[in-house]
Amino acid sequence: DVKVTQSSRYLVKRTGEKVFLECVQDMDHENMFWYRQDPGLGLRLIYFSYDVKMKEKGDIPEGYSVSREKKERFSLILESASTNQTSMYLCAESPTSASTEAFFGQGTRLTVV
Amino acid sequence: AQSVTQPDIHITVSEGASLELRCNYSYGATPYLFWYVQSPGQGLQLLLKYFSGDTLVQGIKGFEAEFKRSQSSFNLRKPSVHWSDAAEYFCAVGDNFNKFYFGSGTKLNVKP
Repeated sequence: DVKVTQSSRYLVKRTGEKVFLECVQDMDHENMFWYRQDPGLGLRLIYFSYDVKMKEKGDIPEGYSVSREKKERFSLILESASTNQTSMYLCAESPTSASTEAFFGQGTRLTVV
Repeated sequence: AQSVTQPDIHITVSEGASLELRCNYSYGATPYLFWYVQSPGQGLQLLLKYFSGDTLVQGIKGFEAEFKRSQSSFNLRKPSVHWSDAAEYFCAVGDNFNKFYFGSGTKLNVKP
């Protein structure tokens, strides 16, 4: 079974803190994604990585950065957390070839106070 | 640009009744289409997918979906809903680079 593991299910951070969300996959797939999920807005793509050290901005990259130093690990970084970044964050991965689905982690519920 | 529209935010059906969740997409080439389900506090689980061939695809848990190119639709159906089907459902389109675009979701409530 495909496994995508997000390091935390729940996080509470203070405004202005630097926050790291970690995601690890065990399938040796090339693509990894970070999505943000908010009620009524569905999933919005923050960043996408198609290989080690390669990244591409998604639809809402402002206030976020990412790091992919190893193939299996994709980190989302909130440089200075703000209350409007309180949300559910979902990591996903997929092979490079089109016509295959994405596999998701359990999500991290981040609250910024 | 790719986009997915799920026009129904909330749907309530009685247990045993049939279900149809609507999905419309916008994509210039042949779409890869997906339906995912999310139970409360969980990640997303794939229900079914369409890449090519037969336009009626079968998925897990008794769900099916029909691809209609002329209507740019990929509606999800189930003939008889169970209480355990209460969840949020997301339609998605994948492009040739395997990036995925999701709709805003439809929350399904099931009445006893």
